[in-house]
Amino acid sequence: DAGVIQSPRHEVTEMGQEVTLRCKPISGHDYLFWYRQTMMRGLELLIYFNNNVPIDDSGMPEDRFSAKMPNASFSTLKIQPSEPRDSAVYFCASSSQGPTNSPLHFGNGTRLTVT
Amino acid sequence: RKEVEQDPGPFNVPEGATVAFNCTYSNSASQSFFWYRQDCRKEPKLLMSVYSSGNEDGRFTAQLNRASQYISLLIRDSKLSDSATYLCVVITSGGSYIPTFGRGTSLIVHP
Repeated sequence: DAGVIQSPRHEVTEMGQEVTLRCKPISGHDYLFWYRQTMMRGLELLIYFNNNVPIDDSGMPEDRFSAKMPNASFSTLKIQPSEPRDSAVYFCASSSQGPTNSPLHFGNGTRLTVT
Repeated sequence: RKEVEQDPGPFNVPEGATVAFNCTYSNSASQSFFWYRQDCRKEPKLLMSVYSSGNEDGRFTAQLNRASQYISLLIRDSKLSDSATYLCVVITSGGSYIPTFGRGTSLIVHP
């Protein structure tokens, strides 16, 4: 199994630019999570999907952030326009039976720097 | 009060030592608990689940205290390779099941 695949690994962009982060979950996993990690705030859940449907997006910071899951094997997290305070490591994770019964499998993360 | 709190450390211990971390949670409706390990600049990985009766996996023991709302992780005979950040995860039901991570406790095991 290839695990959760995220791209790009690193992204450096200027303030105001659009950023798109991509995630391919483990095949057969019905749950997909987007987390953001910073030194100040730790790991924060942004949004999660079950069977491609967004279940909870209460962690999405503001309208500049949007996430989609058009099919079971692909999700995107978009930031438009990006700001320096969005600089963080963004992790995607998938789970087979939901967070109470099965562990989260994380991708390698995307390290985003907004200048 | 934050939902899930951990002492950030670092805990600096010699090889062979026993070390314990606690993690407190604020929501009494929390129902599932886990410990994850995160190495520097890597992704978090599941270390172990935490069961109500306590559970052990080799040198690692996890305990849950619902009355006082905390979970603990005990590491015996520490190895250099145990150096990492240990994150507790609490899952609370309430419409949706949201895994909430603590900010982690840093452990450094030295020779």
